[in-house]
Amino acid sequence: ILNVEQSPQSLHVQEGDSTNFTCSFPSSNFYALHWYRWETAKSPEALFVMTLNGDEKKKGRISATLNTKEGYSYLYIKGSQPEDSATYLCAFSSTGNQFYFGTGTSLTVIP
Amino acid sequence: DVKVTQSSRYLVKRTGEKVFLECVQDMDHENMFWYRQDPGLGLRLIYFSYDVKMKEKGDIPEGYSVSREKKERFSLILESASTNQTSMYLCASSFPVQPQHFGDGTRLSIL
Repeated sequence: ILNVEQSPQSLHVQEGDSTNFTCSFPSSNFYALHWYRWETAKSPEALFVMTLNGDEKKKGRISATLNTKEGYSYLYIKGSQPEDSATYLCAFSSTGNQFYFGTGTSLTVIP
Repeated sequence: DVKVTQSSRYLVKRTGEKVFLECVQDMDHENMFWYRQDPGLGLRLIYFSYDVKMKEKGDIPEGYSVSREKKERFSLILESASTNQTSMYLCASSFPVQPQHFGDGTRLSIL
């Protein structure tokens, strides 16, 4: 079992605030990292696939960076909105087939 | 759009029963996965399959088995259900390395 850690476990921010959270993973044998967003009563949806050290991906107000040498990825949300409220999961793989999920960061954006 | 369909949203079974959870995907994905999600523990992989008739144990395979006779269908079997298998079960599918597409989940209660 590989250890994938996410911090913080939960976060409450005011609407309009920018925020970020961390995913830590083993720095050896990196293959890919995924970020997912999981809204209540829905199924997880993929945000980003990251494969190269130094990757930066962006989708609207959400962006992510990747450092495979030190084993971490950051997810940033600029100008948080209530609809951003969800659990954000990262998943690490050393093979491309089996992915290990972190326990997630639960984000609540207060209007 | 990719569709991953799980046979039931809610299921109630009794201790000792044999339980089948079915998952079907319509995108010709090679990889299929079964996870369970418990509060504070995140998504934990039970089994995955990367081809028809192929299966690999995940992190928590004890008490479960799987079947993949056709590419589009991946079944999770609880041979003799126990109360500690009460959980939310999520099925997912993907091409190798690519993001996983999840079903809506089955909330299983074992009485």
